Amino acid sequence: EAGVAQSPRYKIIEKRQSVAFWCNPISGHATLYWYQQILGQGPKLLIQFQNNGVVDDSQLPKDRFSAERLKGVDSTLKIQPAKLEDSAVYLCASSLETASGGGYTFGSGTRLTVV
Amino acid sequence: GQQLNQSPQSMFIQEGEDVSMNCTSSSIFNTWLWYKQDPGEGPVLLIALYKAGELTSNGRLTAQFGTTRKDSFLNISASIPSDVGIYFCAGQDGGSNYKLTFGKGTLLTVNP
Repeated sequence: EAGVAQSPRYKIIEKRQSVAFWCNPISGHATLYWYQQILGQGPKLLIQFQNNGVVDDSQLPKDRFSAERLKGVDSTLKIQPAKLEDSAVYLCASSLETASGGGYTFGSGTRLTVV
Repeated sequence: GQQLNQSPQSMFIQEGEDVSMNCTSSSIFNTWLWYKQDPGEGPVLLIALYKAGELTSNGRLTAQFGTTRKDSFLNISASIPSDVGIYFCAGQDGGSNYKLTFGKGTLLTVNP
């Protein structure tokens, strides 16, 4: 089966600019996650969708970050305006069920550099 | 919030040696998971543990879910060069929408 697709792979922007990332989960996976991985750290959950509804966005900096999952399939994550500390790899993951920790599949991520 | 302490931060070993890394938590998890991440890729699941005291193997990898539900370890036997990468532990709490909380990772380097 095809994996989780993410684009772009790399992005370099200046601070205060905006940026958007795209994710296409595995077909049939109802749950979609966005994680932020800062260099030298483990991934940290930003937002979790179940179909097109938000399940958990408690760690999403809502003053600058937004995410949507229209039609319960693809998702976009946006940052506006970007700060230097937003430099990180943004990972998208999907799973069949919310409870299925062992069934997470991660994409290759988008590496964002804010200068 | 929950925090995971993963150690060691990095390891440099010779091919053929065994490796052990562990993870401790300030609170209880229902599930422990071990992932490997190669450069430029997302984490890939190695082993999932669902019950306290559980010992599970996957080839040369063995992992255990601690009896207190606050710790886990991963052993790699007879390491080979392709074992190089960053290994992450992750805990999953069933009461928090099953989100994963990751450790900071162990960077493993294997010298052929």
